[in-house]
Amino acid sequence: DQQVKQNSPSLSVQEGRISILNCDYTNSMFDYFLWYKKYPAEGPTFLISISSIKDKNEDGRFTVFLNKSAKHLSLHIVPSQPGDSAVYFCAASVSNFGNEKLTFGTGTRLTIIP
Amino acid sequence: EPEVTQTPSHQVTQMGQEVILHCVPISNHLYFYWYRQILGQKVEFLVSFYNNEISEKSEIFDDQFSVERPDGSNFTLKIRSTKLEDSAMYFCASRNRDRRRETQYFGPGTRLLVL
Repeated sequence: DQQVKQNSPSLSVQEGRISILNCDYTNSMFDYFLWYKKYPAEGPTFLISISSIKDKNEDGRFTVFLNKSAKHLSLHIVPSQPGDSAVYFCAASVSNFGNEKLTFGTGTRLTIIP
Repeated sequence: EPEVTQTPSHQVTQMGQEVILHCVPISNHLYFYWYRQILGQKVEFLVSFYNNEISEKSEIFDDQFSVERPDGSNFTLKIRSTKLEDSAMYFCASRNRDRRRETQYFGPGTRLLVL
């Protein structure tokens, strides 16, 4: 049941350059998408989200793009910093009167090279 | 900044034993969740809880699992008779009704090892 897929298990980017993490989904009922960041021995930390009625949301160095027709979203981090090294999870949900569960991808380990 | 806390951080148990994982959600939050992550796999939804009852549960959350909010602050996950395949990281999460609906705040997790 791979409703949310992150096909790149790992990504290495030079410090200062742009990091682009990708995510694909299959469930057309998903109407909200999020990115979480996870450090070892910690729980996932919310990073940025986007509603299906938008195609872009920006928060500081982080921008999420949504392409509904392709069922694809991406997270751009620019400029990348060493502290961005972590596992990034894409997640999605369907509106359910406040009880929305998150469906996660398998994660992409981002390594920022100083 | 308020955060979700979980205890214990690690739990080792024998197969067939009962375990209770503890969570203290953020104090003004109303929606509570348990997720788990088997090593090397994705984070999976187990159960959501609102207004003192289960809102939704996944197919993983079978009869050996139960959740409880015994007082105003704790939220527990009980596994009645643990199996080897229950070994995983268990995350508790909570959300405030007034926040954007999917902004769930996660605790640091409990690593459960069933021998």
